[in-house]
Amino acid sequence: GESVGLHLPTLSVQEGDNSIINCAYSNSASDYFIWYKQESGKGPQFIIDIRSNMDKRQGQRVTVLLNKTVKHLSLQIAATQPGDSAVYFCAEPTIYNQGGKLIFGQGTELSVKP
Amino acid sequence: GAVVSQHPSRVICKSGTSVKIECRSLDFQATTMFWYRQFPKQSLMLMATSNEGSKATYEQGVEKDKFLINHASLTLSTLTVTSAHPEDSSFYICSARAPDRGNSPLHFGNGTRLTVT
Repeated sequence: GESVGLHLPTLSVQEGDNSIINCAYSNSASDYFIWYKQESGKGPQFIIDIRSNMDKRQGQRVTVLLNKTVKHLSLQIAATQPGDSAVYFCAEPTIYNQGGKLIFGQGTELSVKP
Repeated sequence: GAVVSQHPSRVICKSGTSVKIECRSLDFQATTMFWYRQFPKQSLMLMATSNEGSKATYEQGVEKDKFLINHASLTLSTLTVTSAHPEDSSFYICSARAPDRGNSPLHFGNGTRLTVT
C-alpha cells in the first residue's frame, strides 16, 4: 500500500549550517509531494511542493529534490536558523487534485543549536 | 492567503462528556474539510473528510458515532468527540483547501489539544 516515511526521526544542526531531511515513498505512481513544517503546538505549515515531472524545486532558503528512481525526496534548508527548529513532514495526497487527503511521513524533528 | 481557524485551542474535559471542536475557513469557502488526529511524537493521521451538506466520510477504524462531524456551512465544520475517554486525548487538526485554487496545498488550522481526565 501507499506509505511515506522518513529515515531519521531527529536531526541536530548548528546555526548557519545546511540541513537535509530525507523522505522515502513506496508508490512509484506517486506524482505530487509536499513538505510541511510543524512547530510545537501548532498545525502544519506548507513549505514547498514538487510534482513528479520535476527533479528539483527551490524556494526561499529551501530546496526539494526528487529522485524517482529510488523513490526518495529530500528537503534542504540553507543557513539553518533557530526559527527553523520544528518537525518536518513529507506528505503525499491519496487523491490528487481532489481536495487533499494526505498521507504524512513519520516526521523529522530538527533542532538548531545556536 | 487562505487561513483556517480552530477553536478552542485547548480543552480539558472529564471522562464521559462530549467536546465540540470548530474549524472555520476565514477567507474562502470550503466544501470539503479534513480532520486529522496526532498523538505525541507521532505523525498526523486522517480521521475523516467533512463534506458540506452531506455525510462525512470516515477512514477505516474511526468510529463515526464517536466522532460526529457536521459541515453545516461552507465555512464551518465541527468535530464532536462524544463520551470522551482518556485515550481520546490527542491533538486534533483540521484542514481545508480553497476550491478555486487548483492544486494549491492544504491549509491547516492550529489544532486543538484535547485532554480527557
